[in-house]
Amino acid sequence: NAGVTQTPKFQVLKTGQSMTLQCAQDMNHNSMYWYRQDPGMGLRLIYYSASEGTTDKGEVPNGYNVSRLNKREFSLRLESAAPSQTSVYFCASSAQGARSYEQYFGPGTRLTVT
Amino acid sequence: RKEVEQDPGPFNVPEGATVAFNCTYSNSASQSFFWYRQDCRKEPKLLMSVYSSGNEDGRFTAQLNRASQYISLLIRDSKLSDSATYLCVVNHYGGSQGNLIFGKGTKLSVKP
Repeated sequence: NAGVTQTPKFQVLKTGQSMTLQCAQDMNHNSMYWYRQDPGMGLRLIYYSASEGTTDKGEVPNGYNVSRLNKREFSLRLESAAPSQTSVYFCASSAQGARSYEQYFGPGTRLTVT
Repeated sequence: RKEVEQDPGPFNVPEGATVAFNCTYSNSASQSFFWYRQDCRKEPKLLMSVYSSGNEDGRFTAQLNRASQYISLLIRDSKLSDSATYLCVVNHYGGSQGNLIFGKGTKLSVKP
């Protein structure tokens, strides 16, 4: 049982390049999330998917797109990377119902945009 | 006022010490509260939920004061392995399920 997995672990991009961050969970969770974590800023929600087939913007969605490919997978795409998107990106998932606020995180992707 | 505020620390304590972290939240309608732990360069992990009546899990005790919009975490008999950043987390009332607001964290360093 791997929990939440993310690829890649590290990535360096040049300004203007695009890339997709992959996330998968094997806990049969309905909800999935993408966060970014910057020094001194804490975790901020980029996008989330309450269930398969739905996605919604979080606090900082600009410059990102997401796809909920199926129940297991939720990807985050940067169409034209900017230095301001240098950050650590975490994917998370949660079950529905009473435990819906207990989120389980992947190991993160460290992205640098030069 | 920030939605969730924590003392950033660092708290430097000797092994065996008791240490307490505090957190305040601004949205009086918030309903669910958590403490997460994050080790250096690792992902956050749920430490414990915080219930209205207060709750304990081994050496860890969490308290909630809704009137003061205040959450606390007490760690007794600190271990070296408790060294980490502790994140106070509150649900975002009115948002979709699982929409959480994270504090910036309080760093704890337990020394031998």
